[in-house]
Amino acid sequence: EDQVTQSPEALRLQEGESSSLNCSYTVSGLRGLFWYRQDPGKGPEFLFTLYSAGEEKEKERLKATLTKKESFLHITAPKPEDSATYLCAVQARGGGNKLTFGTGTQLKVEL
Amino acid sequence: NAGVTQTPKFRVLKTGQSMTLLCAQDMNHEYMYWYRQDPGMGLRLIHYSVGEGTTAKGEVPDGYNVSRLKKQNFLLGLESAAPSQTSVYFCASSYGQNIQYFGAGTRLSVL
Repeated sequence: EDQVTQSPEALRLQEGESSSLNCSYTVSGLRGLFWYRQDPGKGPEFLFTLYSAGEEKEKERLKATLTKKESFLHITAPKPEDSATYLCAVQARGGGNKLTFGTGTQLKVEL
Repeated sequence: NAGVTQTPKFRVLKTGQSMTLLCAQDMNHEYMYWYRQDPGMGLRLIHYSVGEGTTAKGEVPDGYNVSRLKKQNFLLGLESAAPSQTSVYFCASSYGQNIQYFGAGTRLSVL
């Protein structure tokens, strides 16, 4: 059974204080790993897809990386508007289009 | 450019009542999905559809039915609501087995 574990559950940062969120996964052949951002009261918003170990993708202050067992979402010099819950999900090869989600990391960036 | 639209946004039901949640997408996506999101748990797939006229069970299908009569619409029905179905429901759509785009959610309380 595919599993996704995200840590920490919650993270408080000062503005400008860089950090990383972790997503550990077990899957029977990874087709893709997805990162989403979810603001309170809204639906998940797509950020990145990673397909193979060693792959990296960047968008503004966010950078996602992938190894064979985990993915990291690095946040560089965060701003208060980066506050949100970040969700990680995996899609298995041969698993159709099913995504298995983690429970998320709730990030709060303070001034 | 609406994307994925869910109606209603909020609903309160009494145990045993029925209701239908509507999802509409304007991206011409073949695949559509219904998830539920509960505190401390990741998004869980209820049912999905890979095309007009087709539906399939996801991880937690019991107590729900779905229909995909038109490509752009995916309906989720609760025939006899139970308190355990109190949740936030999200609809998503995708072009094939790729990025899933989510709606804003329906918050359902069953008393």
